[in-house]
Amino acid sequence: GAVVSQHPSWVICKSGTSVKIECRSLDFQATTMFWYRQFPKQSLMLMATSNEGSKATYEQGVEKDKFLINHASLTLSTLTVTSAHPEDSSFYICSAPDGTETEAFFGQGTRLTVV
Amino acid sequence: GIQVEQSPPDLILQEGANSTLRCNFSDSVNNLQWFHQNPWGQLINLFYIPSGTKQNGRLSATTVATERYSLLYISSSQTTDSGVYFCAVEAYSGAGSYQLTFGKGTKLSVIP
Repeated sequence: GAVVSQHPSWVICKSGTSVKIECRSLDFQATTMFWYRQFPKQSLMLMATSNEGSKATYEQGVEKDKFLINHASLTLSTLTVTSAHPEDSSFYICSAPDGTETEAFFGQGTRLTVV
Repeated sequence: GIQVEQSPPDLILQEGANSTLRCNFSDSVNNLQWFHQNPWGQLINLFYIPSGTKQNGRLSATTVATERYSLLYISSSQTTDSGVYFCAVEAYSGAGSYQLTFGKGTKLSVIP
């Protein structure tokens, strides 16, 4: 299957700083990528849809100024958590659909801890 | 939006036992996927199965799209099967795109 790589796997940052998470499709091109958030013992919730060359589409309740998404190429999308606070601590995971069908493949996830 | 319900929420099995996990969804879907989330959080693709039956080793899955449910069968369970199993369906979001909606998952614990 297709491979999606996410970096970093975990990060600890201080309150008020910004953190950038990268999501790459390694062996296919992805015009669309998705960003999810998962709290402990809960399911994945879609945060936003990242579109190559255009603005991201955010789900209701997700602050677009806090969670900046950039999809600058067909293989890379980035999520920047700006001015992070402890309540932003969570597991963030990206996915991209394989272009042949619409099967979604997921990155390894990033565990963010804001102290 | 579409609702996805998984059952049971928790399942404890003795090693070697068989199990069936269920996923019900409330509307027509484009596709359906089953994932296994390992203890490190990685989502492993198990099946891409909008309809019909597929098998992969000890795992098999069946989706009956007309009745809006899917089943995941695990046979001869092993301790490495432990983790959370998610069902996710792709449906039209109403905002011009299709998106995956996840169920709440089934937490499987296989004990030796």
